[in-house]
Amino acid sequence: DSGVTQTPKHLITATGQRVTLRCSPRSGDLSVYWYQQSLDQGLQFLIQYYNGEERAKGNILERFSAQQFPDLHSELNLSSLELGDSALYFCASSVAGGGSGPLHFGNGTRLTVT
Amino acid sequence: GNSVTQMEGPVTLSEEAFLTINCTYTATGYPSLFWYVQYPGEGLQLLLKATKADDKGSNKGFEATYRKETTSFHLEKGSVQVSDSAVYFCALAVGNEKLTFGTGTRLTIIP
Repeated sequence: DSGVTQTPKHLITATGQRVTLRCSPRSGDLSVYWYQQSLDQGLQFLIQYYNGEERAKGNILERFSAQQFPDLHSELNLSSLELGDSALYFCASSVAGGGSGPLHFGNGTRLTVT
Repeated sequence: GNSVTQMEGPVTLSEEAFLTINCTYTATGYPSLFWYVQYPGEGLQLLLKATKADDKGSNKGFEATYRKETTSFHLEKGSVQVSDSAVYFCALAVGNEKLTFGTGTRLTIIP
């Protein structure tokens, strides 16, 4: 058990809808990272937060947004969903603000857009 | 920029076979190198790491040596088991920058 909790485990929704994915980091970790894993594009870094502030941004679409709350949990909001957004979304956490890890990953949220 | 290139999968081996998964990298600085493993239905977890040239990371029978001259960090195991079936990701980080992952290599071990 990595100590990182992601909810929900599975999400099925329709195109055009909006969903929120939630992540609770490992106790004591200040950084939260979001990754998207799809079959054809591997593991793509989306965004990182450190102690409530955005630290790094990757290939995150404008339709997606995230935030980290004072209790350090994070939410990833996906809107105007398209079929191509179907993927596994992973949250990871680490103690420090640097991304060199080690990163502790949750078990992911599988999003299916129909 | 930084990048990681892994051998294409999937890789299928018989139990007790020798495993090599190739990984090469390009980095603008002096990177730390990692192997992460993703078992079915789970998130990634750190398998091993090396932070400087000629360092050897090892864990659970897996080994990888940081080769600066060939910019490589190949993963090896002498005798694989069915339980090693997973997706393996090579990754690097320079300084405090975020991890850069390879595309992953799916390994299947058949009894």
